[in-house]
Amino acid sequence: QVQLVESGGGVVQPGRSLRLSCAASGFTFSNYGMHWVRQAPGKGLEWVAVIWSDGNNEYYADSVNGRFTITRDNSKNMLYLQMNSLRAEDTAVYYCAKWQYTTSSAFGYWGQGTLVTVSS
Amino acid sequence: NFMLTQPHSVSESPGKTVTISCTRSSGSIATNYVQWYQQRPGSSPTIVIYEDRQRPSGVPDRFSGSIDTSSNAASLTISGLKTEDEAEYYCQSYGSNKWMFGGGTKLTVL
Repeated sequence: QVQLVESGGGVVQPGRSLRLSCAASGFTFSNYGMHWVRQAPGKGLEWVAVIWSDGNNEYYADSVNGRFTITRDNSKNMLYLQMNSLRAEDTAVYYCAKWQYTTSSAFGYWGQGTLVTVSS
Repeated sequence: NFMLTQPHSVSESPGKTVTISCTRSSGSIATNYVQWYQQRPGSSPTIVIYEDRQRPSGVPDRFSGSIDTSSNAASLTISGLKTEDEAEYYCQSYGSNKWMFGGGTKLTVL
């Protein structure tokens, strides 16, 4: 069955960097685009970034553009989110999500999330 | 960029039917598919409707989706409400290389 396991969250000071990872299994990872989505405490869902299955296209929310970078390693079935210049407002649970189908960018399956807290 | 607006909360009794709306601020609701996600407290979201009205396998047929171009809105309808349907529901769509979520609607089944 599909499994997405995020890791790398924690407490980080404003202005510092953090890299999140998402380990995928149970499906052919290299065939599916992937998203990162975040949810601030007690708030709604916010899309963060997307990467195509071959890694050749990526897009970002305006709130993170220029600070965050999404990448993937299809040989390791891994998705990453490099987060630089972190701000207090980046505090959230970060989820990785698999496309619904190879040609549908809907959020078909979600991991359990990893909490990032930006605080001094 | 566009916005998706949902009511903050709705409530209904078990066995009844509830409809949650999702209004797109700009651009036609019909241009890009709308999805709906359920998030129970303490859990990750799961998809319950994709491509406006399609149900993933495992989602009961009590859940249905539709769009209305006259109001530029999508709707999620849940019939035969059960207490297990109590959750936050989010609509989602796409435009100009941005994937957007609505603010979420808390469904209370009481």
